Amino acid sequence: GENVEQHPSTLSVQEGDSAVIKCTYSDSASNYFPWYKQELGKGPQLIIDIRSNVGEKKDQRIAVTLNKTAKHFSLHITETQPEDSAVYFCAASRLSGGYQKVTFGTGTKLQVIP
Amino acid sequence: EPEVTQTPSHQVTQMGQEVILRCVPISNHLYFYWYRQILGQKVEFLVSFYNNEISEKSEIFDDQFSVERPDGSNFTLKIRSTKLEDSAMYFCASSEGVGETQYFGPGTRLLVL
Repeated sequence: GENVEQHPSTLSVQEGDSAVIKCTYSDSASNYFPWYKQELGKGPQLIIDIRSNVGEKKDQRIAVTLNKTAKHFSLHITETQPEDSAVYFCAASRLSGGYQKVTFGTGTKLQVIP
Repeated sequence: EPEVTQTPSHQVTQMGQEVILRCVPISNHLYFYWYRQILGQKVEFLVSFYNNEISEKSEIFDDQFSVERPDGSNFTLKIRSTKLEDSAMYFCASSEGVGETQYFGPGTRLLVL
């Protein structure tokens, strides 16, 4: 089955700096890569996603890149703010038997220091 | 904005007892999922459900687990005889279609004593 590795496990940045989180996946058939933000006591919330026919996607301060050949994808947050502090999960997904199974990475705890 | 809701937010139970976790998916969504997250660990897929039947399940989802859509709005996860290791956060999710984004509920924190 799919295996998603995520690094780093913790990340501290100064407010205003950029943060980068990297993930690799094992199943070359994966074709959808969502990123979720999880705040304390809440469920994962989708912040951005990318499909395998796209190499990069940007939404304001957040961008994702995908390298299908190397099977890795990254989340970039620019101009970080204290409210960006949370646990971020990457995920990989493929149509499996016609239904979508999402495999999550191990999470990155991001702390933005004011 | 439509959202997935879950009840209860917290559940404490004795080992061996049955628990039912409830979810109300987003109303026009057709695909439903349960995930769990053991404290400090990653989110793990349990089961997906479509058209009133299980479409896929993980090795975690053994005979002690079952899912049901008892009416047009609720989606439930039942654990027949809870074990200590079932203690986790359980998330329900739903999506509009196959290959579409899954939206997660706030979770139910289950503690088995």
